[in-house]
Amino acid sequence: GAVVSQHPSWVICKSGTSVKIECRSLDFQATTMFWYRQFPKQSLMLMATSNEGSKATYEQGVEKDKFLINHASLTLSTLTVTSAHPEDSSFYICSASYVTQDYGYTFGSGTRLTVV
Amino acid sequence: AQKVTQAQTEISVVEKEDVTLDCVYETRDTTYYLFWYKQPPSGELVFLIRRNSFDEQNEISGRYSWNFQKSTSSFNFTITASQVVDSAVYFCALASGGYNKLIFGAGTRLAVHP
Repeated sequence: GAVVSQHPSWVICKSGTSVKIECRSLDFQATTMFWYRQFPKQSLMLMATSNEGSKATYEQGVEKDKFLINHASLTLSTLTVTSAHPEDSSFYICSASYVTQDYGYTFGSGTRLTVV
Repeated sequence: AQKVTQAQTEISVVEKEDVTLDCVYETRDTTYYLFWYKQPPSGELVFLIRRNSFDEQNEISGRYSWNFQKSTSSFNFTITASQVVDSAVYFCALASGGYNKLIFGAGTRLAVHP
């Protein structure tokens, strides 16, 4: 249980275009979702926390107008990278917290974005 | 403030050696959760263990064991008789205050050579 499906797994886009990444919780309701970015050989850096039906909370230094997060339902959260530039090339991972018998986090499989 | 420190950036061992990955955490909350994840080259995060702050028992799962010591704010991970398949990046992570964001350490890249 507690599976998050993330798509696409990889995407190549041209500089200046926008890219949307989707994360769906398949067997549970994800009240809260987290979006991380990971540059090569670095750790996962939290970008934002999104709660269903409300605006996302962005971490310091993350441009909210560039990284648009929508969490309109309990099973879907999206991250749109607007006007992408080569420096946005990274590995993006979504995560959802869940409470069943325990408390934990489940992660999507990640999206590797390359901006050319 | 919450912080996770993994001081070992890279570790290289020969197969069958034991290896310990260190993790030191900081939080002011009395209720918190500690995690270890494995990230193979594919990038997907593999959950290994979760510990809450009220459970200081050490845990063993096959070749893996974890030592949680609140007195030193450490949650170390030991792999016994390492194997090539253990080669990956290992992350220690902390969530405190309940249902809160998960903060990751910098990660330790483990290379196990035949």
